[in-house]
Amino acid sequence: DADVTQTPRNRITKTGKRIMLECSQTKGHDRMYWYRQDPGLGLRLIYYSFDVKDINKGEISDGYSVSRQAQAKFSLSLESAIPNQTALYFCATSDFSANYGYTFGSGTRLTVV
Amino acid sequence: GENVEQHPSTLSVQEGDSAVIKCTYSDSASNYFPWYKQELGKGPQLIIDIRSNVGEKKDQRIAVTLNKTAKHFSLHITETQPEDSAVYFCAAQTSYDKVIFGPGTSLSVIP
Repeated sequence: DADVTQTPRNRITKTGKRIMLECSQTKGHDRMYWYRQDPGLGLRLIYYSFDVKDINKGEISDGYSVSRQAQAKFSLSLESAIPNQTALYFCATSDFSANYGYTFGSGTRLTVV
Repeated sequence: GENVEQHPSTLSVQEGDSAVIKCTYSDSASNYFPWYKQELGKGPQLIIDIRSNVGEKKDQRIAVTLNKTAKHFSLHITETQPEDSAVYFCAAQTSYDKVIFGPGTSLSVIP
C-alpha cells in the first residue's frame, strides 16, 4: 500500500457542489499538507497541519477548508466548487525529526464544470 | 513576495547526454533545497536534497550544487536514460511552513 493515499484519484463535479478530497498516511508523520498544482505555476500550498489540533492557512486558502480527523487523516473540502478550482491536488506529509523532505500522494485530478 | 525561479521550463536531451536544471531563490533565510521528480500520473518524489552548509552532493547519476552567495542551486543528471523523463521541481525551504517550489522543468530524454 502507498505511504500517502489520496481518494478519489479523479473527480468531475458541477459548479456550486460541495466536494471533499481525502488523504491518509501510514508514514507516522505528524505534519500534513494540501497543495494545488496548475500547469506552469508549480505547487502552491493551500493548508497545512502540524498536529490534530493545529490548522494553518497557506498561500491560497480562499474557497477551501480542511479537517485533521486524526494524525493519519487530513481532508480538503471545497464548499462551493467553481471552475477555476479545476486542478491537480496533492496531499503531502513530513516528519520534523527526519530529513525535511515531503512524501506526496499520487494526487486527485479535480474538474469543476 | 519570495519566489523560486527555475530554468529551463522544458529540456530535451539525447540519451546518454547530461541535463542541467537551474534554480534561483530570493529568501536568504532558505536553508534546505530539495529536488522532486514527478512522473506522469504520479505525485512528486524527493530524489536529492542539499543543505545550506554543503556546496555539493552526489547520488549516483544525479548531483546538486549550491551557491548561497548567488542564491543559485542546480540539478545535474549525467548519462541520462529514458526513465529520467519527467517533470523536475526545485524548492527552497526555510521551515516546515515555508516551502516555495519552482514552476518545474519538463525533461525529455530521447532514445
